[in-house]
Order: sequence, then structure tokens, then C-alpha cells
Amino acid sequence: SQTIHQWPATLVQPVGSPLSLECTVEGTSNPNLYWYRQAAGRGLQLLFYSVGIGQISSEVPQNLSASRPQDRQFILSSKKLLLSDSGFYLCAWSVRRRGRYYGYTFGSGTRLTVV
Amino acid sequence: LAKTTQPISMDSYEGQEVNITCSHNNIATNDYITWYQQFPSQGPRFIIQGYKTKVTNEVASLFIPADRKSSTLSLPRVSLSDTAVYYCLVGNTDKLIFGTGTRLQVFP
Repeated sequence: SQTIHQWPATLVQPVGSPLSLECTVEGTSNPNLYWYRQAAGRGLQLLFYSVGIGQISSEVPQNLSASRPQDRQFILSSKKLLLSDSGFYLCAWSVRRRGRYYGYTFGSGTRLTVV
Repeated sequence: LAKTTQPISMDSYEGQEVNITCSHNNIATNDYITWYQQFPSQGPRFIIQGYKTKVTNEVASLFIPADRKSSTLSLPRVSLSDTAVYYCLVGNTDKLIFGTGTRLQVFP
């Protein structure tokens, strides 16, 4: 069965520090991978998605970046965190079979607080 | 991507049936309708997906009229643990855009 791992669960970082969040998927190949962010009490905002190794689409211009060094690994990074980067970060995956998207399973999330 | 409109919030009591309707007037021919449930500090969880007519699983039913311009998620006999945010998504592409969802509060 497919599983998605996301870590760390919680993170407190000072303003201006770097960030690296990692997400890995097991049990499927060539998945689409996604990073979402949810501010407190708000909806989910799509940040990045990737349809393959090295292929990254950015949805929201900001000081975050994403990379996909391996088929089932997706990394969210920042060189210098801002207070506004605080939020709940979620990784997700989906696969397309016979013209239809399946999966869209989310990880357990990372609660990031920038202080 | 089809734009969706759903109520911001709904209240119910334990044991009642809850119906949450989502409008998606510009749904495309190859779009599927998918509903997710999200509890606080957790990622959304898939509930049900359909294309037309009615779909039922162990958790919910999804009713889709012939014109597919709306859909209704039906939760039978809700309990306190069904208190959550419910999202309606319409599409069949590489990415899914979530709306604000419907916050369902179930009271004892």
C-alpha cells in the first residue's frame, strides 16, 4: 500500500534561518507530488507541484523553493524564513491512470512557527 | 479548473443526516467531483469521488444531478467526530485547488 512520510511534525525557527522540509512516498512510482500551506484558520494554498524528477511548478511567488531530487522525494526549502512563512505545511501525492487522477493522499503535516 | 461554491458553515446534531451542497457551474466534461474531510492539524482525507448520478461508500453518499453543475455530499447519522471542514473539489488535472470548504459543527 502507498504511504507518505513527512517530517518533522513541528518546527520552531527564528526569522532569517533556513528551512528544509522533506516528504517521501512509498508504494507507488512516478507520482505527482505537492506542497500545500495552511495558515491558522484558513484554507489550503497550493505552493508547488511536481510531475516528475526535476520538474517543479510554482503556484505562489515567495521566498520558498521546492526540489525533487528523486522520484518519490519532495523537498521544500527556504534560505531565509519570514514571519509570514509560519503555517501548517502539507505534502501530498497523486497518480494518473487511464486519464483519471487517483490518490491525492496527504502527509501528517509540519507545523512551522517562525519567531 | 472549475470554481466551486459551498456554504461556509453548517450546524447539526448527533444522529441527523447532513447534506452539504457544492455548486460548480463551469464543470468540464472530464472533471470528477471529489470531497475531502479535514480535522484540525491534520491533512485532508479523501471521502468520496464521483462523476455522475450517485456514489455510495461506507462513509458517505454523493449525489450528482444530470447537468453536473452541483453535487451534494450526504453524511448519514453524524456523530461528534464528524465535526470537521469538508472540501468540494472539481477537476481532473495535475493539481487540485482547494476552496474555503464548509465547516461542519456537530452538537450533542
